[in-house]
Amino acid sequence: EVRLVESGGGVVQPGGSLTLSCAASGFKFDHYAMHWFRQVPGRSLEWVSLITGDGGTTYNEDSLKGRFTISRDNSEKSLFLQMNTLRTEDTAFYFCAKDYCSTTNCYIDYWGQGTLVTVSS
Amino acid sequence: IVLTQSPGTLSLSPGERATLSCRASQTVNGNYLAWYGHKPGQGPRLLIYGASTRATGIPDRISGSGSGTDFTLTISRVEPEDLAVYYCHQYGSSPPVTFGQGTRLEIQ
Repeated sequence: EVRLVESGGGVVQPGGSLTLSCAASGFKFDHYAMHWFRQVPGRSLEWVSLITGDGGTTYNEDSLKGRFTISRDNSEKSLFLQMNTLRTEDTAFYFCAKDYCSTTNCYIDYWGQGTLVTVSS
Repeated sequence: IVLTQSPGTLSLSPGERATLSCRASQTVNGNYLAWYGHKPGQGPRLLIYGASTRATGIPDRISGSGSGTDFTLTISRVEPEDLAVYYCHQYGSSPPVTFGQGTRLEIQ
């Protein structure tokens, strides 16, 4: 059974930093790209960042302007999101998710349950 | 590519048919069009990929159809457990993933 469990959310002051973690199990972790998404309550899902299976290539949402960094430890089957210079508008639920791409389809096939990040003074 | 979903909210009684629309601002390769259901307190769940293929464990009363710019998610007979927000999703290039704004399904 595929499981993705996020942790590390909490309350942080504007300008602060936080690192989210995602523990993966039930699949060959290093075979798949992984994503971070976020969702402000009441709004749609927003893509944040992507990392390839070997960790060699990353992509970030342009508006984040380098404040967020995705990484992974394949030996520990863990995904991370380092968030710096946090702003109140970064307040959201953050989800890690598993990518699936074949020769014919690409989609996100599994999601974690999310962790809440609140940026507030 | 912008995905626009309608209606914003759908309120139905158990046993009724739900028809959810997703319209793209440009032609979408159906192989990269998926639907998700998102229940409160949970992560989203993959329902349909490739526009019309049900994901593992999804009942056959849930189906997807469409091509080009118009896609549809249909729940033939809604049940109380279908209470959720439903999102269409396109796997593209930049950004790699975009979502519609969602349709909230309420069960009366």
